[in-house]
Amino acid sequence: QQQVKQSPQSLIVQKGGISIINCAYENTAFDYFPWYQQFPGKGPALLIAIRPDVSEKKEGRFTISFNKSAKQFSLHIMDSQPGDSATYFCAATFETSGSRLTFGEGTQLTVNP
Amino acid sequence: EAGVAQSPRYKIIEKRQSVAFWCNPISGHATLYWYQQILGQGPKLLIQFQNNGVVDDSQLPKDRFSAERLKGVDSTLKIQPAKLEDSAVYLCASSLIGANNEQFFGPGTRLTVL
Repeated sequence: QQQVKQSPQSLIVQKGGISIINCAYENTAFDYFPWYQQFPGKGPALLIAIRPDVSEKKEGRFTISFNKSAKQFSLHIMDSQPGDSATYFCAATFETSGSRLTFGEGTQLTVNP
Repeated sequence: EAGVAQSPRYKIIEKRQSVAFWCNPISGHATLYWYQQILGQGPKLLIQFQNNGVVDDSQLPKDRFSAERLKGVDSTLKIQPAKLEDSAVYLCASSLIGANNEQFFGPGTRLTVL
């Protein structure tokens, strides 16, 4: 199975709060897990990515937590800002297929001022 | 650095008509992808090229969809004939050769089939 399940479908947080988006995958052969951010009318753009040999990766206000045994990973956005309002997609890929990405269903994040 | 270019940005057609989308990848990117993004869903890979050759077209509905990449640069995705369920945003992306290289996406073409 190559599915990636993402939740929640939508999320509303207040400015300064923490946004948390969760993903679960089935195929243990996946070995690269990027997160993409998409604004209306734009294509997705890479935000941050992790490999399963580490449990956490942080870049600025964005952190990925990875739980290999549970086959789950999550995106945490600290100090959420209105400019973070966008749709976020988790994705997964594995070496044998090159760079083919399997995307989750997406989470629409709204950060209220 | 110029990004991935796509045209047209919007297209409205009647079912059973034909439509074509064009993509110009980032210069030097040998790998090119076409994704279909249905409203409220994540992008789904339709076809992946490396230079002129097809790497993966397992999810391309070949009875109606076709794609080509001439001279390893620009690419065209065609739908003939279109169905209502083809209404979606068609995204083109490109990357350098090699597993897990960052994919850069274009703005997409929004297709509405009436």
